[in-house]
Amino acid sequence: DAGVIQSPRHEVTEMGQEVTLRCKPISGHNSLFWYRQTMMRGLELLIYFNNNVPIDDSGMPEDRFSAKMPNASFSTLKIQPSEPRDSAVYFCASSPWLAGGIGEQFFGPGTRLTVL
Amino acid sequence: AQSVTQPDIHITVSEGASLELRCNYSYGATPYLFWYVQSPGQGLQLLLKYFSGDTLVQGIKGFEAEFKRSQSSFNLRKPSVHWSDAAEYFCAVGILTGGGNKLTFGTGTQLKVEL
Repeated sequence: DAGVIQSPRHEVTEMGQEVTLRCKPISGHNSLFWYRQTMMRGLELLIYFNNNVPIDDSGMPEDRFSAKMPNASFSTLKIQPSEPRDSAVYFCASSPWLAGGIGEQFFGPGTRLTVL
Repeated sequence: AQSVTQPDIHITVSEGASLELRCNYSYGATPYLFWYVQSPGQGLQLLLKYFSGDTLVQGIKGFEAEFKRSQSSFNLRKPSVHWSDAAEYFCAVGILTGGGNKLTFGTGTQLKVEL
């Protein structure tokens, strides 16, 4: 299995531009998570999906952030408009359903976003 | 709400020495506990997990962790550290929610290994 795939790996953009981050989870996993990692705030959960349905988006910082999962094999995280404080590494993770428990989360390599 | 505390931001050990990374959690019910490792420029990789049963759990790369309910701790240990263990280590607590589950991570401990 190729693991969780994220694209792009690096993104440099200017303030005000729209940014779209993409994620392909591991086939057969039914949960997908978007995280943001910064030095100041550590690893934060932004939103997660279960069976393509958003379950908890309380970590999404502002309305400028949106996420979709149109099918089981693809998700996007969009920032519009982007701001310098959005600069971070964004991780996508997926996990299988585990009866009565919590499945291991498998992380992608991350997208390093720099907003100038 | 659940939370995880990793009191050591940085730890330096000599290669071959033993290692213990501390983790304390706060959660009202029986926790699901995890340790992840992150190498530079990489995503997080699961080292081990505790759900129930034996409180001493074995993981990959020679790591183990012990769940102590009375101390709300889940410390990670390794008897002999290798230079390749230099990385950042994250403890996490998982909770089941109405529609799924999620993890809350600690702030991480950066491990440096001196040769």
